[in-house]
Amino acid sequence: DAKTTQPNSMESNEEEPVHLPCNHSTISGTDYIHWYRQLPSQGPEYVIHGLTSNVNNRMASLAIAEDRKSSTLILHRATLRDAAVYYCILGARTGTASKLTFGTGTRLQVTL
Amino acid sequence: DGGITQSPKYLFRKEGQNVTLSCEQNLNHDAMYWYRQDPGQGLRLIYYSQIVNDFQKGDIAEGYSVSREKKESFPLTVTSAQKNPTAFYLCASRQTGGTEAFFGQGTRLTVV
Repeated sequence: DAKTTQPNSMESNEEEPVHLPCNHSTISGTDYIHWYRQLPSQGPEYVIHGLTSNVNNRMASLAIAEDRKSSTLILHRATLRDAAVYYCILGARTGTASKLTFGTGTRLQVTL
Repeated sequence: DGGITQSPKYLFRKEGQNVTLSCEQNLNHDAMYWYRQDPGQGLRLIYYSQIVNDFQKGDIAEGYSVSREKKESFPLTVTSAQKNPTAFYLCASRQTGGTEAFFGQGTRLTVV
């Protein structure tokens, strides 16, 4: 299965942009790149996903490298509520099933 | 409202007992997943199911069993063979393909 690599933790000041990197050098052609975030004692929450092109939604932007071996989640203005663990995962296909395999994620700390 | 429901939120069991965690979704999603999360760690995939009456082992299936008799239900049984069952268990569902997954709020299982 294709794996993702993320930094263990990052810090940001409130109101500043945050760029969360993810490496996925063994990504296959049909893998989607998903980002989720998890607040303490809660289930993960979907943030954004993409395949080849950059994507924007109300929560964030996803920048995907041309060779698809890395991607970056961009929070345009971090707030205290964005403090969470962010997971970059690949939606792999195995036969007729579709797996979602999580890594250890990046813990984002946001300070005033 | 549509969503995914896990029950109970907290569960206590004596060592050696089997216990079944409930997961129900009314989103009409085909795929369902079970994950385990230990303190300070990421999510690890236990089992997943693409369609009714079909499921596959994830990365840590030993000591667990599942069934998928109905599209909306995917119960997880933690058996006495699971060496360290105390953990936070998360259920998720999604449509096939590169779409977002919806997570329940989790069940925190404590075995004493």
